[in-house]
Amino acid sequence: DTAVSQTPKYLVTQMGNDKSIKCEQNLGHDTMYWYKQDSKKFLKIMFSYNNKELIINETVPNRFSPKSPDKAHLNLHINSLELGDSAVYFCASSRRTDGYTFGSGTRLTVV
Amino acid sequence: KQEVTQIPAALSVPEGENLVLNCSFTDSAIYNLQWFRQDPGKGLTSLLLIQSSQREQTSGRLNASLDKSSGRSTLYIAASQPGDSATYLCAVHDDYKLSFGAGTTVTVRA
Repeated sequence: DTAVSQTPKYLVTQMGNDKSIKCEQNLGHDTMYWYKQDSKKFLKIMFSYNNKELIINETVPNRFSPKSPDKAHLNLHINSLELGDSAVYFCASSRRTDGYTFGSGTRLTVV
Repeated sequence: KQEVTQIPAALSVPEGENLVLNCSFTDSAIYNLQWFRQDPGKGLTSLLLIQSSQREQTSGRLNASLDKSSGRSTLYIAASQPGDSATYLCAVHDDYKLSFGAGTTVTVRA
């Protein structure tokens, strides 16, 4: 029944590893997003996809690569993880002019 | 570039008092404005969505106003309860993204 679901909920990994976070929405929305919430709790857009097409890439390092296999899924792959990547990553979806629905977040800890 | 500011950063009130949370944004070309609540360690819960053509929205004890021309929105929470303690986030939707303020952390004392 969950509208926007992310997996995993927690991710602890060593520096230099590669990891992926998956996101799925069952709301029929045409736009999906990845947001990062840093240690100061500020939420910042990373990527925006509309109908599987990348619309926004907000100065995110190339180590981060989003993939949208279809309108209902937006995955985030991170290469060569660094300590500074530790944060909470939120997936969200919306229709063009409607409200956003957020997933419950993935807490990434790089050690 | 859209800048969203929330004042105050933190607020502590006794139970029963009304809460007033302010949000301002720099670019008035928005689709809508959304207020969220975030509890510690949790995700974002949508409280109210105001379309750019609307002046206010109400849900229970919550009322949000929008003055697009002046770039302001206010969230009112009537008769606060300890369960209202959380961080409240204002976000404006423009051009394929939602831009957030830093939030107002509310503590309601029993």
